[in-house]
Amino acid sequence: GENVEQHPSTLSVQEGDSAVIKCTYSDSASNYFPWYKQELGKGPQLIIDIRSNVGEKKDQRIAVTLNKTAKHFSLHITETQPEDSAVYFCAANNAGGTSYGKLTFGQGTILTVHP
Amino acid sequence: GAGVSQSPSNKVTEKGKDVELRCDPISGHTALYWYRQSLGQGLEFLIYFQGNSAPDKSGLPSDRFSAERTGGSVSTLTIQRTQQEDSAVYLCASSWGPTNEKLFFGSGTQLSVL
Repeated sequence: GENVEQHPSTLSVQEGDSAVIKCTYSDSASNYFPWYKQELGKGPQLIIDIRSNVGEKKDQRIAVTLNKTAKHFSLHITETQPEDSAVYFCAANNAGGTSYGKLTFGQGTILTVHP
Repeated sequence: GAGVSQSPSNKVTEKGKDVELRCDPISGHTALYWYRQSLGQGLEFLIYFQGNSAPDKSGLPSDRFSAERTGGSVSTLTIQRTQQEDSAVYLCASSWGPTNEKLFFGSGTQLSVL
């Protein structure tokens, strides 16, 4: 099955700096890669996603890039703000001919943005 | 509803007891998922429902775990004879349909087995 590795496990930045979180996946058949943000006491919230037919997607201060050949994808947050502090998870679908929301998640990155 | 609702938010039980966790998905969402979040294992898929049927139960860790969904809406995850290793946050998510992978998660049920 799919295996997703995520780095770093913790990331500390100053407000206004950029933050980058990287993930690798193992199954070349995976074709959907979402990123979730989880705040304390809440469930994960989808913040951006990308499909394998595009290399980059941007939504205001966040962007995701995908390198299918290398089987890795990254989350980029620019102009970080204290409210960006949370745990971020990458994920990949388990394609194998299916397209429903069965996802394999990375281990998470604790992002702390210092004012 | 406005979002995925789960109850209870916290559950403390004794080893060997049975527990039931409830999920009320977003109105109109036909697909429903259970995931488990634990410190050692991260977020793990447990089961997927489309309507009332469960075409994928591959993530259920043992036969002590079962789930059902009635009326294409509310789902219940049941854990029988709970063990300490069952302690985790159980998350429910829903989506618009079988081909929609955008999941909306509830806040979860924190299960503690003493």
